[in-house]
Amino acid sequence: EVQLLESGGGLVQPGGSLTLSCVASGFSFSSYAMNWVRQAPGKGLEWVSGISGGGDYTYYADSVKGRFTISRDNSKNTLYLHMNSLRADDTAVYFCAKYRGYLIAGGWFDPWGQGTLVTVSS
Amino acid sequence: QSALTQPPSASGSPGQSVTISCTGTSSDVGGYNFVSWYQQHPGKAPKLMIYEVTKRPSGVPDRFSGSKSGNTASLTVSGLQAEDEADYYCSSYAGSNILYVFGTGTKVTVL
Repeated sequence: EVQLLESGGGLVQPGGSLTLSCVASGFSFSSYAMNWVRQAPGKGLEWVSGISGGGDYTYYADSVKGRFTISRDNSKNTLYLHMNSLRADDTAVYFCAKYRGYLIAGGWFDPWGQGTLVTVSS
Repeated sequence: QSALTQPPSASGSPGQSVTISCTGTSSDVGGYNFVSWYQQHPGKAPKLMIYEVTKRPSGVPDRFSGSKSGNTASLTVSGLQAEDEADYYCSSYAGSNILYVFGTGTKVTVL
């Protein structure tokens, strides 16, 4: 069974930094691209970032470009999201999601982790 | 990149059908056959219900079906059941610059 478990969320002040982790199991982690999708409280889903299976290609939404960095350690079956210069509008539940293939070039997200809450507030 | 447009709410009685629309542009929904639909119960993670416009993952009941015409995709839930009450989101691949856009979400209520 494929499982994704996020961690690392919490309360951080505006301008601060935080790193999220997502540990994967039940599939060949390095064979699949991975993504981060977030959901602000009471709002809809927003794709944030994606990374290819080997980690050589990374993609970002304009809203986080230059502030967030996605990475992965295939030896540890772990996906990361390094978040800098955090703003109040980054407050959201962050989900990691497995992609349909090695590259991000048309596909879908399945399955999703349970999410981790990031709150940016002073 | 703007979110795809969905109606805020939809409802039906048990056994009835409900159809949710998802309107985008020729740069996303209309340009690619990579529309997917996700079901989300309160406090839970989204679950894939439809991928590649019309395909159902194993384990998803055949009461769920998808279609697309031009820039608008649709999800139909037939034979509504109480457990279908949830939020539903569409998503589309939008090319190598934008990557992905999600819909605004539709709350389905089973009356």
